[in-house]
Amino acid sequence: EAGVAQSPRYKIIEKRQSVAFWCNPISGHATLYWYQQILGQGPKLLIQFQNNGVVDDSQLPKDRFSAERLKGVDSTLKIQPAKLEDSAVYLCASSVGRRDYGYTFGSGTRLTVV
Amino acid sequence: GENVEQHPSTLSVQEGDSAVIKCTYSDSASNYFPWYKQELGKRPQLIIDIRSNVGEKKDQRIAVTLNKTAKHFSLHITETQPEDSAVYFCAASMGSGYSTLTFGKGTMLLVSP
Repeated sequence: EAGVAQSPRYKIIEKRQSVAFWCNPISGHATLYWYQQILGQGPKLLIQFQNNGVVDDSQLPKDRFSAERLKGVDSTLKIQPAKLEDSAVYLCASSVGRRDYGYTFGSGTRLTVV
Repeated sequence: GENVEQHPSTLSVQEGDSAVIKCTYSDSASNYFPWYKQELGKRPQLIIDIRSNVGEKKDQRIAVTLNKTAKHFSLHITETQPEDSAVYFCAASMGSGYSTLTFGKGTMLLVSP
């Protein structure tokens, strides 16, 4: 099966600019996650979608981050305006949404804010 | 919410030795514990997982043990090889279709030939 697709792979922006990331999950996977992985740390959940509804966005900095999942398939994550501390790898993952299943991660987008 | 602690942060072993990575979790409701391997610049990949109804699971050279009473679980790699060098993450969740994974901070394993 095809994996989780993410783009772009790399992005360099200046602080206060905006940026958007795209994710296409594995076909049929109802649950989609965005994680932020700062260098040297484990992935931290930003937002979880079940189909096109938000299940958990408690750790999403909503003053600057937004995400949507149109039609329950592709998803975009946006940062506006970006801060230096947003430099990280943004990982998208999907799962079937049933009990006790691990995630399949995409390759991630490495964001550098200068 | 759930908190997962992982130790050690780095682990250096000689090829052929065993490696053990330990994690503790805080939420007694957690019942699903996967381990991910992340090679440099690549995506995390699931290598093994365990559910709370079992105490140990093996897959060739890797094994995971779970002690629900003490709320800790461990990854064991035997006969390590240079290609085992990577960052390993443990994680925990309540295992429902909607529950999210909380990750540890990772262990960088270096296997020297």
